[in-house]
Amino acid sequence: AQSVTQLDSHVSVSEGTPVLLRCNYSSSYSPSLFWYVQHPNKGLQLLLKYTSAATLVKGINGFEAEFKKSETSFHLTKPSAHMSDAAEYFCVVSGGSNTGKLIFGQGTTLQVKP
Amino acid sequence: GAVVSQHPSWVICKSGTSVKIECRSLDFQATTMFWYRQFPKQSLMLMATSNEGSKATYEQGVEKDKFLINHASLTLSTLTVTSAHPEDSSFYICSARDSLGLKAFFGQGTRLTVV
Repeated sequence: AQSVTQLDSHVSVSEGTPVLLRCNYSSSYSPSLFWYVQHPNKGLQLLLKYTSAATLVKGINGFEAEFKKSETSFHLTKPSAHMSDAAEYFCVVSGGSNTGKLIFGQGTTLQVKP
Repeated sequence: GAVVSQHPSWVICKSGTSVKIECRSLDFQATTMFWYRQFPKQSLMLMATSNEGSKATYEQGVEKDKFLINHASLTLSTLTVTSAHPEDSSFYICSARDSLGLKAFFGQGTRLTVV
């Protein structure tokens, strides 16, 4: 079975400083992993995805994530936070067997202070 | 890119009435659609999976008679909340997947408030 754990429910950074949102996963085979962002009262937007290609995945808005099998991690990073990055971030693992079912982490709220 | 349109974006209804939410894939054929529910300040929870032309598969704890899902065509799935109660107030999001890849395309979500 697959599962995903976001290690921080809330992260606060200052504008211009790096962002690190942590995610660990559990999977019995090679997973597909995603990061989604949800701004208040809006739907989800895909930031990036890992599907067994390059382990360092670059996404939109300057975000990237590195798949580390040895650590079962898929942490999301950004070198410099913007105020507009304040949102809820979800780490997601595919349910496997090509079903398309997604299993969501609990979410991390990113606060960006001026 | 692929677009999924969800309608309405928000709805307020009285207790005891039914509300229908539509999820349309605008430029691809969605063989599978998923319905999620998000409680305030919590993560999304999968409610059900629907495949075109067949009955939906509900997750444990989701009442299939209360949350009616219809996926009659490759571009449309509907979720009907029957006899709504205030505890059904939530944010509902659909996602659609085509037959080719693992990426799920999400609708904008529907904010349901039952008064």
